[in-house]
Formats: sequence, structure tokens, C-alpha cells
Amino acid sequence: EAGVAQSPRYKIIEKRQSVAFWCNPISGHATLYWYQQILGQGPKLLIQFQNNGVVDDSQLPKDRFSAERLKGVDSTLKIQPAKLEDSAVYLCASMPLATPYEQYFGPGTRLTVT
Amino acid sequence: AQSVTQLDSHVSVSEGTPVLLRCNYSSSYSPSLFWYVQHPNKGLQLLLKYTSAATLVKGINGFEAEFKKSETSFHLTKPSAHMSDAAEYFCVVSRFGTGKLIFGQGTTLQVKP
Repeated sequence: EAGVAQSPRYKIIEKRQSVAFWCNPISGHATLYWYQQILGQGPKLLIQFQNNGVVDDSQLPKDRFSAERLKGVDSTLKIQPAKLEDSAVYLCASMPLATPYEQYFGPGTRLTVT
Repeated sequence: AQSVTQLDSHVSVSEGTPVLLRCNYSSSYSPSLFWYVQHPNKGLQLLLKYTSAATLVKGINGFEAEFKKSETSFHLTKPSAHMSDAAEYFCVVSRFGTGKLIFGQGTTLQVKP
């Protein structure tokens, strides 16, 4: 079974630039998550989708972050404009409806904002 | 509200000796509890889970954890550390069925030869 795929793996941008991350969840997993993991901290949930609908985006900084999951499969997370404090690893995870507690994580995208 | 406190940011053990990573939780609901492991440049992997069944939970790679409601703890143990256990470990709490995970700050496990 293929795992959660993310790209790019690494990205370096200057502040005020924009950036986008892509996630392909495990086939058949209805729920998809984006997390932000700042160095030295645990992952923090940014947004949760079920199929192509948003379940929870209460911790997403909506003035600069946006996410979509068209057709209920792949998802993109965008930051525009980026700030220095956005430097982090962005993790995507997916979860099947049958086991609503076990999330499968991708390898993450490490973003450095200079 | 739910939260998790990992009591040690860094734990160092010698290969072959026992491992203890400590976690306390706070939850307004009956919690589901998890331990995840993160190896460098790899995704988070589920080690074990507690979802209101047996209080002693066995996971992969010889790890286990015991849910103690009276102490609000969910400590992770392993009888004998292996070099490959060196990684970052996260204790996680969730309200059962919500699919929302709240992570602790993490504990770095170092295993010395």
C-alpha cells in the first residue's frame, strides 16, 4: 500500500513570497489533515478535511494560509505572503473512516523562510 | 479541553537498558491516547494506541504503555533499548471518534552503545 505522498520535500523562499505544498493521501482515505511542526515542538493541526469539505480550520491563519481539497483526493496548502515564523515542517496525514483514530503521516515539507 | 505534557524533553539510555518516556494528559472526555515515533527525515509512525479497551497496550518494536486514569498518565516503556530506537517520541491525546490529535512537545530518545 502506497503511503501519503508530499512534495516538495524542501523549499526555501524569501519573506513575502508565496509557496504551495501538495499532498496525495492514501487511496480511499476520506479524511485529510495538514499540520505545522515548528522545530522543537509537536505538530499542530492547521486544517482537517473530510472528502472535499472542511471539518475544522479554526487554527489556520486565514489571512495568509489557504487550503483546498478538490475532488476529495489531493490537497494543496498555500502560504501568501510568507513570514519568517512560517519556517516549519508541514505534514500531511490521512485517515480512513473505518478507524477514526489512526492517522498516516507523509514525510513532510520542510519550509525555510529567509 | 485536552492537553498532553511530556515530562522529559530528552532521555538518554544505554543499549540494552530499559526505556521510560513519561506522559501526563488532561482531558474533559474519556481520552484516546497514542504514542507516535518520528525518525529523522521520516514520517510520524503510530507505535501504539489506547482506545478504552485494555489498560496495558502493546505496540510495535517491543514498546508498551499503561493507561492509569487515577494518575492521568500514559508512560511508554521498553525492556531493552536498541540503537534503532533513537528518535523523537510524541504522546498524543484525542477525543474518541473525532480524529483530532493533540500532540505533546516530544521527547528525544538517545541510545548510547
